Amino acid sequence: GDSVTQMEGPVTLSEEAFLTINCTYTATGYPSLFWYVQYPGEGLQLLLKATKADDKGSNKGFEATYRKETTSFHLEKGSVQVSDSAVYFCALSDRAGNQFYFGTGTSLTVIP
Amino acid sequence: DAGVIQSPRHEVTEMGQEVTLRCKPISGHDYLFWYRQTMMRGLELLIYFNNNVPIDDSGMPEDRFSAKMPNASFSTLKIQPSEPRDSAVYFCASSLVQNYGYTFGSGTRLTVV
Repeated sequence: GDSVTQMEGPVTLSEEAFLTINCTYTATGYPSLFWYVQYPGEGLQLLLKATKADDKGSNKGFEATYRKETTSFHLEKGSVQVSDSAVYFCALSDRAGNQFYFGTGTSLTVIP
Repeated sequence: DAGVIQSPRHEVTEMGQEVTLRCKPISGHDYLFWYRQTMMRGLELLIYFNNNVPIDDSGMPEDRFSAKMPNASFSTLKIQPSEPRDSAVYFCASSLVQNYGYTFGSGTRLTVV
């Protein structure tokens, strides 16, 4: 079945460091891909999305490119801030819209 | 829009008691989802509704759990009787289109002692 696999955390970075959180997917057909962020004590928020191959989603300095050839949707940010400390979830919606799958989440802590 | 509103934010109850969690989705969203989040199992989909009708409740752990959506602006998740292993954060989410662009509420942190 369809699924997403994301790198295990926790990840700890210094402020202004470069961030990559890996996400790969398994799906039949062409799913839509998402990154959600969960700040402490809050619900998940949609961070960015991409609906077809080679699309790049971006928001708040974060980017992710839908790579069909490598079945990946890695999250990147060039310079992280302390306020980016959160848990990041990769997610997939199958093309038919019948199923939605979350990854296990990757905890990010940014230290000053 | 105020977003998805859940209440209460925190609930502490004794084992065996009935617990009711509430959710108000975003107006106009036809899909409503209940998720449970724990450290051990991550995010689990419990049930979802389309136009107030339950579509898939295969994630509901057992008969002690029930969910209703009497109208487009309100849903409840009830646990009766509650057990310590039900302790978790319960999230409600809504969306305009199925499985696309969920908006989550802030969650209800349930502790059963």
